[in-house]
Amino acid sequence: QKEVEQNSGPLSVPEGAIASLNCTYSDRGSQSFFWYRQYSGKSPELIMFIYSNGDKEDGRFTAQLNKASQYVSLLIRDSQPSDSATYLCAVIQYSGTYKYIFGTGTRLKVLA
Amino acid sequence: DGGITQSPKYLFRKEGQNVTLSCEQNLNHDAMYWYRQDPGQGLRLIYYSQIVNDFQKGDIAEGYSVSREKKESFPLTVTSAQKNPTAFYLCASSTSGSGDTQYFGPGTRLTVL
Repeated sequence: QKEVEQNSGPLSVPEGAIASLNCTYSDRGSQSFFWYRQYSGKSPELIMFIYSNGDKEDGRFTAQLNKASQYVSLLIRDSQPSDSATYLCAVIQYSGTYKYIFGTGTRLKVLA
Repeated sequence: DGGITQSPKYLFRKEGQNVTLSCEQNLNHDAMYWYRQDPGQGLRLIYYSQIVNDFQKGDIAEGYSVSREKKESFPLTVTSAQKNPTAFYLCASSTSGSGDTQYFGPGTRLTVL
């Protein structure tokens, strides 16, 4: 079992729709959770992070964390073609040192 | 203008050559990291450093070496011992090594000829 799992996609949504991206993790002790967006050929850029159970909203983006079920999701409202990218989920584990574990990413395509 | 810079953007290496990738940050971050990304795969940690003059191996350190002589700089050398070095290399930094947000440089794409 991979430590951080994401559906590779592509996830296709029409422009203006809500895109829902999911990520599950295996270590119940994971502490912090991040979503990065990566355009083709570019480096990842941080969208948002979440530490506590529940929802966190930032503009069109909402991160949702459920530690009991060990998943974190990212909702993108009013999706735009410019949102088309790969979205990476990252989780921090602590076992003596802090370690970032990245998922392989979900490719999102927003259709105009 | 604060940020992380990597150079060169593209690098071509012949078989048997060592090459060094540059990473510089002016964010006053203590921790710096090197990742490798292959097509369709996640980021894999090569080396990381939480403080000047100290660094640790990541998951795939074989065939790579680093140094951390200055807080701002964390160069990565890809040695001839790395058998499959063609990949996208990403440098990142964070305030500390204690689970803070990591920010990435623009990356270096290395191709072996």
